[in-house]
Amino acid sequence: KAGVTQTPRYLIKTRGQQVTLSCSPISGHRSVSWYQQTPGQGLQFLFEYFSETQRNKGNFPGRFSGRQFSNSRSEMNVSTLELGDSALYLCASSLGQNYNSPLHFGNGTRLTVT
Amino acid sequence: AQTVTQSQPEMSVQEAETVTLSCTYDTSESNYYLFWYKQPPSRQMILVIRQEAYKQQNATENRFSVNFQKAAKSFSLKISDSQLGDTAMYFCAFMGGGTYKYIFGTGTRLKVLA
Repeated sequence: KAGVTQTPRYLIKTRGQQVTLSCSPISGHRSVSWYQQTPGQGLQFLFEYFSETQRNKGNFPGRFSGRQFSNSRSEMNVSTLELGDSALYLCASSLGQNYNSPLHFGNGTRLTVT
Repeated sequence: AQTVTQSQPEMSVQEAETVTLSCTYDTSESNYYLFWYKQPPSRQMILVIRQEAYKQQNATENRFSVNFQKAAKSFSLKISDSQLGDTAMYFCAFMGGGTYKYIFGTGTRLKVLA
């Protein structure tokens, strides 16, 4: 079974631009969640989608948005990029039907904002 | 709101020795799960071990075991017979409280020395 796939692996953008990150979950997984990872901050939860509906949202500004498609693939969009948005963005999928469902992570997208 | 605290930013251990990573959490919920995830230098995060709050028995997975102290809200990870491949960032995580939102600690960077 293929793992979680994130594209692209690396991105370099300038301030003010917008960016879209993509995540393909493991087949059969209906939950996709996104995390921002920075040194010293650990993993900060962005949002989680289950069957195309946003089920949970973290404490990020409205510039961060996401969506999930009928095939469970998910995209995350960041508009009006700021220098502080430079981070590793991780996507994770799970069955999402109970608390016991472990997360399966992708390799991440490294975003650099200049 | 739930919080997860990892108070050891970095640790090192000699190969074949035992090391314990600390994690404390705060919650008023009774139904929850706790997890340890490992992120090797190659970046892909993987599940190490999980513990259901209702289970008194500490979880064990080969060389990895936890010391779950529910009253003290402590969830430490013990790695026995440490191997070079155990070198990684280790994240403690909480899931529960009526949401499918993982709360992660800031991580502990473990280096296993030859």
